[in-house]
Amino acid sequence: EVKLVESGGGLVQPGGSLRLSCEDSGFTFSRNWMTWVRQAPGKGLEWVANMNPDGSQKNYVDSVKGRFTISRDNAKNSLYLQMNSLTAEDTAVYYCVSLGNWGQGTLVTVSS
Amino acid sequence: DIQMTQSPSSLSASVGDRVTITCRASQGIRNDLGWYQQQPGKAPKRLIYDASTLQSGVPSRFSGSGSGTEFTLRISSLQPEDFATYYCLQQNSYPFTFGPGTKVDIK
Repeated sequence: EVKLVESGGGLVQPGGSLRLSCEDSGFTFSRNWMTWVRQAPGKGLEWVANMNPDGSQKNYVDSVKGRFTISRDNAKNSLYLQMNSLTAEDTAVYYCVSLGNWGQGTLVTVSS
Repeated sequence: DIQMTQSPSSLSASVGDRVTITCRASQGIRNDLGWYQQQPGKAPKRLIYDASTLQSGVPSRFSGSGSGTEFTLRISSLQPEDFATYYCLQQNSYPFTFGPGTKVDIK
């Protein structure tokens, strides 16, 4: 079974950057589309970005285009989300998702 | 972007009740829809994909139906662990979009 573990969240000032990581302990990472979903405190789920298995296709929600970059390293079974120019609206728990399996999430707080 | 709506936004029900949640898309999405359950303080869990296919390990009291613009999640006999928030997700067109959620609580 796929197990996903996110890391890299924390407190960052507005305008700052953060890089999230997600490690997949399963055996099919290199064959799977990978997704980031976020959830602001007390709010619903928001799909953020996804990437195909070889990294040639990347898709983003409009609100993060030009600021966030999704990437992956199939040799390390890892997915990343580079987040730049962060604003308070980016404060959320960020989940890594694969084949319907979700990690436990990592909290990103953007505040001065 | 495709807009997803859910009804009701919340409902109160008792253990053993049959529950129905509806999700509507602003344009046709074939059967490219999933249903997710989120218990308080936990990560979401996928229940249904492709509108009607039960995720492995999910109890058979959950079922999904629909295609095009209207979809339904049914719980045949509500159990204590089913009190949660349920979301639909369309995966037909980018950006993928979630519905706003339906909270199911105890009557």
